[in-house]
Amino acid sequence: DIQMTQSPSTLSASVGDRVTITCRASQSVSTWVAWYQQKPEKAPKLLIYKASSLERGVPPRFSGSGSGTEFTLTISSLQPDDFATYYCQEYKSYSSTFGQGTKVDI
Amino acid sequence: QVQLQESGPQLVKPSETLSLTCAVSGFSITSGFYWGWMRQTPGKGLEWIGRVYHSGRTSYTPSLNSRLGISVDTSKNQFSLRLTSVTAADSALYFCTRSPTSCGPDCYSYYFDYWGPGIRVTVSS
Repeated sequence: DIQMTQSPSTLSASVGDRVTITCRASQSVSTWVAWYQQKPEKAPKLLIYKASSLERGVPPRFSGSGSGTEFTLTISSLQPDDFATYYCQEYKSYSSTFGQGTKVDI
Repeated sequence: QVQLQESGPQLVKPSETLSLTCAVSGFSITSGFYWGWMRQTPGKGLEWIGRVYHSGRTSYTPSLNSRLGISVDTSKNQFSLRLTSVTAADSALYFCTRSPTSCGPDCYSYYFDYWGPGIRVTVSS
């Protein structure tokens, strides 16, 4: 199975900060990576697919990059609504796997 | 607007069958997407369970394959999950999902563009 390792696990930030979350795959997944935002007791929300494609309706302050084994999600200027947990997902493998999550808090 | 809504018992006894249904509104289930199930636990995180196409073709995660059934009812625009012989390890927040079917020649799964709000299922006597 492909493992997806996110860092950091927790990130303390302030409104207006530039935030970067990293996801490393245990083997190459090409650009088959998605990023999600999840708030407590809510469903994950798709932000980015195919490593860098912005889902419709998602603010452009969110961006994704990377290929192969290293990927990043960047929030250019953190807004109050962005405090949440973020997950990466690889969908190259049949069973698909998620990272363990990065909690962004104040 | 695409909406998914899970329903079903939230308490299931060990060794019994967990059955959930996902009602889809705002979009026809026959319009060329995959419909599936995910679950989330504090210990294992987000876990893909399986998916179904409107034709009835299914794909399941290997670890649950022997206990799992996912079916689709196009007349009701909904799909369902059955997981037999449940244990406490099957207690989780269950989500139904939609996935686009297109992917490249070297990818074997899909991302999830719509999710239901989730239903918490506890396995306990």
